[in-house]
Order: sequence, then structure tokens, then C-alpha cells
Amino acid sequence: DADVTQTPRNRITKTGKRIMLECSQTKGHDRMYWYRQDPGLGLRLIYYSFDVKDINKGEISDGYSVSRQAQAKFSLSLESAIPNQTALYFCATSDPLNRAGANVLTFGAGSRLTVL
Amino acid sequence: QKEVEQNSGPLSVPEGAIASLNCTYSDRVSQSFFWYRQYSGKSPELIMSIYSNGDKEDGRFTAQLNKASQYVSLLIRDSQPSDSATYLCAVNKGRVQTDSWGKLQFGAGTQVVVTP
Repeated sequence: DADVTQTPRNRITKTGKRIMLECSQTKGHDRMYWYRQDPGLGLRLIYYSFDVKDINKGEISDGYSVSRQAQAKFSLSLESAIPNQTALYFCATSDPLNRAGANVLTFGAGSRLTVL
Repeated sequence: QKEVEQNSGPLSVPEGAIASLNCTYSDRVSQSFFWYRQYSGKSPELIMSIYSNGDKEDGRFTAQLNKASQYVSLLIRDSQPSDSATYLCAVNKGRVQTDSWGKLQFGAGTQVVVTP
């Protein structure tokens, strides 16, 4: 099984619908992240969580919300999806216990979301 | 000005040649630097990390860091068709134990095409 699992892998939805993307990890990492990737723009951070009680906005959090249900689970929600949220979404984890590797991200396989 | 800049490419490299990828960053307090490889439709995977000025070699890959010039590069020696991918430069902006620590800023990526 993958260390970082994202569901669904692909989703097509309509404008205005509520969508949840889920992420679970078996690495035991405290830190979890949600990024979106758009052509020509690279990866941009939406939200991040350094532990279950610590959730922070990234650079593009508007229109998104998150929930850290447990150390291993971090969900991203789009309350009312719009077409410009069409993108590839990645969940990632990192391990703060190794200072040198604290920023080494392990990515899930990605969730491709299309909003019509 | 983008915080992390890369040439988008594509960078066409003959098989067996050296591929040279460049990345510049704007925040002088950046502490750690990463190169990720991303195959089309796949998630990014870490190939190199570098924290100190100078060169770091790992197999066919060499990362070079010059903090004074705010410049990090990646060399791929003896390029193979399997090296054809998009290479993402990532920078950790913050100092240890500040709010910015643990968040990566990504460039948009350089596409490399290795031709037989």
C-alpha cells in the first residue's frame, strides 16, 4: 500500500457542488499539506497542519477548508466548487523529527478535480 | 517577481549529455533547497536536497548552491531517456522554528526531454 493515499483519484463535478478530497498516511508523520498544481504555475500550498490541533492557511486558501481528523488523516473541502478550482491536488507529509529532512515531502498520487 | 523561478523549457538534451537546470530564489533567508522530479501524470519525488553552499553529488545528479547569488542548479550527467520529466526546484523560506519553517515554495518546473 502507498505511504500517502489520496481519494478520489479523479473527480468531475459541477459548479456549486461541495467536494471533499481525502488523504491518509501510514508514515507516522505529524506534518501534512495540501497543494494544488496548475500548468505553468507549479505547486502552490493551500493548507498545512503541523499536528492535529495546528492548522494553517497557505498562500491560496480562499475557497477551501480542511479538517485534520487524526494524525493520519487530512481532508480538503471545496464548499462550493468553481471552474478555476479545476486542478491536480496533492497531499504530502513530512517528518519534523529529522531536522535535515524536516522539509522533505512525500507526496500522494494526486487527485485530479474537474469543475464544470 | 516569482519567489522561485525556473526556465520552463523544454530543455532538449541528447542521450549521454549533461543536462543543466537552473533555479533562482528571491528570499535571502531561505535555508534549504530541493529538487523534485515529476513524470507526466505522477507525483513529485525527491531526487536531491542541499543545505550548504557548494556542490553535492548523488550518482548522476549534482546539486549546486550559491546563497550569495540566490541560485541553485541541478546537473544530470549521462542523461538517459528515463530522465525525461519535469524538474521542480523547491525552497524552504524560513529559519528553523519560525512560522515559515516547513513550508516549501516551488518553482513552476523545467521540462527535460532526453533524445536518443
